[in-house]
Amino acid sequence: GAVVSQHPSRVICKSGTSVKIECRSLDFQATTMFWYRQFPKKSLMLMATSNEGSKATYEQGVEKDKFLINHASLTLSTLTVTSAHPEDSSFYICSARSGDYNEQFFGPGTRLTVL
Amino acid sequence: RKEVEQDPGPFNVPEGATVAFNCTYSNSASQSFFWYRQDCRKEPKLLMSVYSSGNEDGRFTAQLNRASQYISLLIRDSKLSDSATYLCVVNMAGFKTIFGAGTRLFVKA
Repeated sequence: GAVVSQHPSRVICKSGTSVKIECRSLDFQATTMFWYRQFPKKSLMLMATSNEGSKATYEQGVEKDKFLINHASLTLSTLTVTSAHPEDSSFYICSARSGDYNEQFFGPGTRLTVL
Repeated sequence: RKEVEQDPGPFNVPEGATVAFNCTYSNSASQSFFWYRQDCRKEPKLLMSVYSSGNEDGRFTAQLNRASQYISLLIRDSKLSDSATYLCVVNMAGFKTIFGAGTRLFVKA
């Protein structure tokens, strides 16, 4: 199956710093990438949808200036959490989808802890 | 009403039991449906797609009823390794994907 990688897998940072998370589709071109956040024992919450070369579409309640998404190529999307606060601590998961399939392929996730 | 609703769980069953999960969705324009499995602190992984004609993969059977906007997953002969959270997933037009809150399954020896 298709492979999606995320980096880093785990990050601990101080409050006020910015953290960048990368999501890569390794063996296919992802026309659409999704960013999700998951709190403990909760379901995945879609944060934003990004299509290569265009601005991301953010879900209601997600601050676009705080969660910067860049989808510069068909294999790479980045999520930058700006001025991180402890309440941003969560599990962030990306997924990628090619135009040929309905299935989404998930990255392994990034666990962010903000002190 | 939530766009995708699942049985609250958790389900605690002995090995060998048959267990069924239900899911309902509110948007009749929903286009495709899936069951994903998520292990603790891991990313979700596709278990199976769900078709109107029903589909089976080994011990797993998925059913879709578009008229009732209802999806089900049946697991026969449960194994310890089936313990996980099962997510009902609905794709809408415009590539929007909605995840259910998940149902936790614990299979005990």
